[in-house]
Amino acid sequence: EAGVTQFPSHSVIEKGQTVTLRCDPISGHDNLYWYRRVMGKEIKFLLHFVKESKQDESGMPNNRFLAERTGGTYSTLKVQPAELEDSGVYFCASSLRSWNTGELFFGEGSRLTVL
Amino acid sequence: QQQVKQSPQSLIVQKGGISIINCAYENTAFDYFPWYQQFPGKGPALLIAIRPDVSEKKEGRFTISFNKSAKQFSLHIMDSQPGDSATYFCAASMSRGGGADGLTFGKGTHLIIQP
Repeated sequence: EAGVTQFPSHSVIEKGQTVTLRCDPISGHDNLYWYRRVMGKEIKFLLHFVKESKQDESGMPNNRFLAERTGGTYSTLKVQPAELEDSGVYFCASSLRSWNTGELFFGEGSRLTVL
Repeated sequence: QQQVKQSPQSLIVQKGGISIINCAYENTAFDYFPWYQQFPGKGPALLIAIRPDVSEKKEGRFTISFNKSAKQFSLHIMDSQPGDSATYFCAASMSRGGGADGLTFGKGTHLIIQP
């Protein structure tokens, strides 16, 4: 069974450009999460989808970040325009049940470098 | 404000020794405490988790010790092996409606087991 897949694995862009990260969760997992780890810091929660609905987006840094999950399958996270402080590793995770009862399965992450 | 504080930041242990990583939390509403293991280039993977109704949980060489009154929990790796070399993250979450419902992570511990 395929795990959580993320694309691209690494993206290097210049400040002001736009980047879109994609996450394909494990098939059948209704819960999808985005997390971010800035170098040397903790992994921080960004948002949580249940199917196509945003359950909680309280961790989104600002309105330059837009997450979508059309059809309740894969999800995209767009950063527009990117700033230097957006650099980090963006992790996607999915779970069959809600976060507090089920295991989260993480993807390998998308490393974003903003120059 | 960091809600889960993890120490040490890095740890070197000889093969066969005991590796100990500590975490402290502030929010008494947290009721689920997982540990994640991350190898280079991979996403975090659930290693072991505990709920506050027990003080210890053991799975193979890995043990979580939990002290509710002190608001602390720790990971013990017995008979540490070079294959255990990885970054370990403690985390916490709460079962409540509303608000951020993702995991709150510590900053991670880079563990090296020397052969």
